[in-house]
Amino acid sequence: NAGVTQTPKFRVLKTGQSMTLLCAQDMNHEYMYWYRQDPGMGLRLIHYSVGEGTTAKGEVPDGYNVSRLKKQNFLLGLESAAPSQTSVYFCASSYISNGGNTEAFFGQGTRLTVV
Amino acid sequence: AQSVTQLGSHVSVSEGALVLLRCNYSSSVPPYLFWYVQYPNQGLQLLLKYTSAATLVKGINGFEAEFKKSETSFHLTKPSAHMSDAAEYFCAVSAPNTGGFKTIFGAGTRLFVKA
Repeated sequence: NAGVTQTPKFRVLKTGQSMTLLCAQDMNHEYMYWYRQDPGMGLRLIHYSVGEGTTAKGEVPDGYNVSRLKKQNFLLGLESAAPSQTSVYFCASSYISNGGNTEAFFGQGTRLTVV
Repeated sequence: AQSVTQLGSHVSVSEGALVLLRCNYSSSVPPYLFWYVQYPNQGLQLLLKYTSAATLVKGINGFEAEFKKSETSFHLTKPSAHMSDAAEYFCAVSAPNTGGFKTIFGAGTRLFVKA
């Protein structure tokens, strides 16, 4: 009963380095999301996907790219890391329901520090 | 457009006391509302949700919330706090049939429970 799995759980990057955060869900959900969580700011949506092969920008997309080549995976890339990208990153997924929105299922998070 | 405001970034209660976490929302359409809980070093998990059915919603771990349209509020309560309730709580709002990518999260309220 894995749900949403994120890797890695912790990472320290130097400014200018690149990395990819991996997210996998085993619930056959259509929608997937990447959020960042910063103190006092709640969760802010970076990018999202409504299905395999589709992605869209959220509230704070700059400096990030995403891909969803398979329905169960959603990758978040940082091309050139900056200290402002120090944050906790959460992947989430949700299913489609007739007549309304459904709740999101979250991964455990990735704590990223950019020095 | 939707927005959500959580009153109080920190709330402290004694074990056995009433828990009241406040959430006010703004929405141009009848909203869907959620409360999530985040335990240390974990992702968010759903406590309860309001989706236009009963205005009093019961969730897990003895929590409940009441949707009050006239007050645009969705406050979270629990009659008797337990040490294990110490966590951060997030209120979230979305408009129906817009998909989870339109969900707006509050800044969070950290609950402390004193022995």
